[in-house]
Amino acid sequence: EVLLTQSPDTLSLSPGQRATLSCRASQGVGKYLAWYQVKPGQAPRLLIYDVSNRATGTPARFSGSGFGTDFTLTISSLEPEDFAVYYCQQRDVWPPWTFGQGTRVEI
Amino acid sequence: QVKVVQSGGGVVRPGGSLRLSCAASGFSLNDFGIHWVRQAPGKGLEWVAFIRYNKDFKFFGDSVKGRFTISGDNSNTVYLQMDRLRPEDTAVYYCVKDNELGGLFDFWGQGTPVTVSS
Repeated sequence: EVLLTQSPDTLSLSPGQRATLSCRASQGVGKYLAWYQVKPGQAPRLLIYDVSNRATGTPARFSGSGFGTDFTLTISSLEPEDFAVYYCQQRDVWPPWTFGQGTRVEI
Repeated sequence: QVKVVQSGGGVVRPGGSLRLSCAASGFSLNDFGIHWVRQAPGKGLEWVAFIRYNKDFKFFGDSVKGRFTISGDNSNTVYLQMDRLRPEDTAVYYCVKDNELGGLFDFWGQGTPVTVSS
């Protein structure tokens, strides 16, 4: 099973600032790393897949990078609606498909 | 328009059973798989189970293996049968369409809460 460790657990920022979220895999997952956004009371939403591909509807301020074991999600300039919890997820080694523990981006 | 609509869930005592349903529209379950993902209160996302009809795939997470089963029918509906439920199964359960790339969760149901408590 691939363990995904996200850092930090919480990121306290202000609108307009840049957010950098990290995800580290316990073994290489190639390019098969995705990011999801979860807001309270809502279903998760796929944001980025295969490291850097934005899903339909994902704004351009969201970008992803990395390969193998180290990955980054960057939000270039935070909008009020971006304050949420973000999860990374790998689809290289399965089952199980695994998620990180999440990073909360808060004001 | 792709949609997955969930039903079922509720409150059950430890050791009891529940069945969750997931009705798919806008796509065929002969072409795409369905995952179940859960989120316990205050916790992160956990993959639970997967079914893919045409490849006869059924997979389960270790925490539910042997207690949960997954099936589908000709009405484009998937069912998650949850037996021998434990308090730690308490969570919001999501039915999720698998993306064509495989292993990506692209369309999520609305979520259904399951509470296991005496």
